[in-house]
Amino acid sequence: GQNIDQPTEMTATEGAIVQINCTYQTSGFNGLFWYQQHAGEAPTFLSYNVLDGLEEKGRFSSFLSRSKGYSYLLLKELQMKDSASYLCAAVDSNYQLIWGAGTKLIIKP
Amino acid sequence: GAVVSQHPSWVICKSGTSVKIECRSLDFQATTMFWYRQFPKQSLMLMATSNEGSKATYEQGVEKDKFLINHASLTLSTLTVTSAHPEDSSFYICSARDAQGAHNEQFFGPGTRLTVL
Repeated sequence: GQNIDQPTEMTATEGAIVQINCTYQTSGFNGLFWYQQHAGEAPTFLSYNVLDGLEEKGRFSSFLSRSKGYSYLLLKELQMKDSASYLCAAVDSNYQLIWGAGTKLIIKP
Repeated sequence: GAVVSQHPSWVICKSGTSVKIECRSLDFQATTMFWYRQFPKQSLMLMATSNEGSKATYEQGVEKDKFLINHASLTLSTLTVTSAHPEDSSFYICSARDAQGAHNEQFFGPGTRLTVL
């Protein structure tokens, strides 16, 4: 079956760095997305990886290892507004998104 | 960037009534739109995939006669919750895939919060 695993909840301190991990098992693979979702709002696109390696975009970076079925989202210089759920979604062979349950990130001052 | 609108943002209705939710891609053509449901503190659950000009594909466990989907144009899909009941209260989110986009990503509408009394 297809499966995405990510931690349910993480806590970090304002100004620090946090890494949110995601492992996936899919029928075929056509990339992996990270989305941010604030409470009561729809998800917004953060990143997309299809090749191995690190993609950096400002304070956020995303890493992918296809051989390990593993990705992480790295958030630097954490701000209070980064408190949100972070959703990992892998694209299968039919170009359907397989969603993780999301990681709730709590930022403390 | 690609923008998807959803209307209404929230709706409260009596049990037994039907509710229609619209999803529009404002600045791109979306051959495929997706309808999700999200209960509190849970992840997105795909309900159905809507392709322009054809019947929607429903996920297992989703009643197609209860959740009617129409994708009549490249910029509009509608979800009608028929004979809504309190257990249908949820956050309904649509997304649209930009076939011309660099990564084939899905752009999400702002969601519709449905409360059935």
